[in-house]
Amino acid sequence: DARVTQTPRHKVTEMGQEVTMRCQPILGHNTVFWYRQTMMQGLELLAYFRNRAPLDDSGMPKDRFSAEMPDATLATLKIQPSEPRDSAVYFCASGLGGTQGSYNSPLHFGNGTRLTVT
Amino acid sequence: EDQVTQSPEALRLQEGESSSLNCSYTVSGLRGLFWYRQDPGKGPEFLFTLYSAGEEKEKERLKATLTKKESFLHITAPKPEDSATYLCAVQFSWGKFQFGAGTQVVVTP
Repeated sequence: DARVTQTPRHKVTEMGQEVTMRCQPILGHNTVFWYRQTMMQGLELLAYFRNRAPLDDSGMPKDRFSAEMPDATLATLKIQPSEPRDSAVYFCASGLGGTQGSYNSPLHFGNGTRLTVT
Repeated sequence: EDQVTQSPEALRLQEGESSSLNCSYTVSGLRGLFWYRQDPGKGPEFLFTLYSAGEEKEKERLKATLTKKESFLHITAPKPEDSATYLCAVQFSWGKFQFGAGTQVVVTP
């Protein structure tokens, strides 16, 4: 079974440090989503890409978060500087997207990066 | 405002005791409703997609149905291995997915 791969699985860092999370989407998928999950907020959309182009990053704190897709096999989410309130599980998901309005393929998730900022 | 609401928040069942989970939504331009299962420490795992009112999908002890304003996930004669958090998500016309908060299901032997 093809899977979305996320690294690292766990990350503990101190406040103010830079954190980079990586995601390898399923081969052939052209959309990538980043979600953050906490007990209080559930799954929150941070950003998503189609064909490596960012379509929506309105869910991200722009001053500290950045998301990129250097190539079709790698998506990154970076936090600089990190803060304790960023502690959460960060999920990457990929899927097959068509043109606007025609997309109805499910997303497939990785197992997440559990981030703890002390 | 587009919203996805799941109820109940938590459900405790005896093995064999059937029940239903609800996902209600107020979304313009719905393109699909998705059900996922999430186990502790794992990412959500896709279960079903429903596209239009009246549609039903089944997988083992799970059956998902869809109306114009809500979806139900029916669990028939559940087993302990059905214990998980069940999430629903709706897809907007422009490709974005919004998730509900989930229903945590515990099935005891």
